[in-house]
Amino acid sequence: SQQGEEDPQALSIQEGENATMNCSYKTSINNLQWYRQNSGRGLVHLILIRSNEREKHSGRLRVTLDTSKKSSSLLITASRAADTASYFCATVAFQGAQKLVFGQGTRLTINP
Amino acid sequence: NAGVTQTPKFQVLKTGQSMTLQCAQDMNHEYMSWYRQDPGMGLRLIHYSVGAGITDQGEVPNGYNVSRSTTEDFPLRLLSAAPSQTSVYFCASSYWRTSNGYTFGSGTRLTVV
Repeated sequence: SQQGEEDPQALSIQEGENATMNCSYKTSINNLQWYRQNSGRGLVHLILIRSNEREKHSGRLRVTLDTSKKSSSLLITASRAADTASYFCATVAFQGAQKLVFGQGTRLTINP
Repeated sequence: NAGVTQTPKFQVLKTGQSMTLQCAQDMNHEYMSWYRQDPGMGLRLIHYSVGAGITDQGEVPNGYNVSRSTTEDFPLRLLSAAPSQTSVYFCASSYWRTSNGYTFGSGTRLTVV
C-alpha cells in the first residue's frame, strides 16, 4: 500500500503565484523526500528532510515536516511555467531497509 | 555522464514472452531498486538490493526476478509477460542513508499485448 498521500491531486495556478502541496504518511520515518517528474521523464530529487528536522529550504522550495501529524508540505514560491510537473513525496522508514515508498503525486500546472 | 542508465527505452512484448530490463549505475551506489509506474498509482516498489549478492522483494514482486552480481548492474527479468505488466519501469540508486536522495533512470516503457 502507498505510504504517502498527496493533496491536492491536481493544482493549477498562475505564473508568479505560490504553490503548496501536502503529503501525509502512515508510519514512523527516517526521512521524507520530494521529487519532481516532468511528463515522460524520470524522477528528479528535489529535497530531503530528516525526521528530526522541521523545515528546510532550497532555492524557491520550502519543505516542512510535522512528525506528530505525520505530514509534510512543499511550497514553491514565485512559480514559473517550467515548474509544471508532477510532484511526489516519498518516505524512508525509520527501521529496516532503505526502501523509498511513494505517494500518488500532485500534478501542478503553471499557467502563463 | 554519471547516472543511472536504463535499456531499452521502449519495448513491446507478446503475452508469455520473457525479457530483461537492464539498469546500470556508475556512482558506486550500494542501494538499487526497481519501480513500476501506472496511471493514478504513483510508483510501486518491485524489488530492491542493498548491495552485491543481496536482493529483496518490494510491494509488487510477483512475475519479476532480479539479481545483483555486481555493484553497478541490477537487471529486472520478466519471466512470462502478462498484459497487467504493461507499465513504465524505473530503476533508481543511492548511497546508503544518503542526504542526496535517489538517482532515477529515464525509464522503460513496456507494452504487453
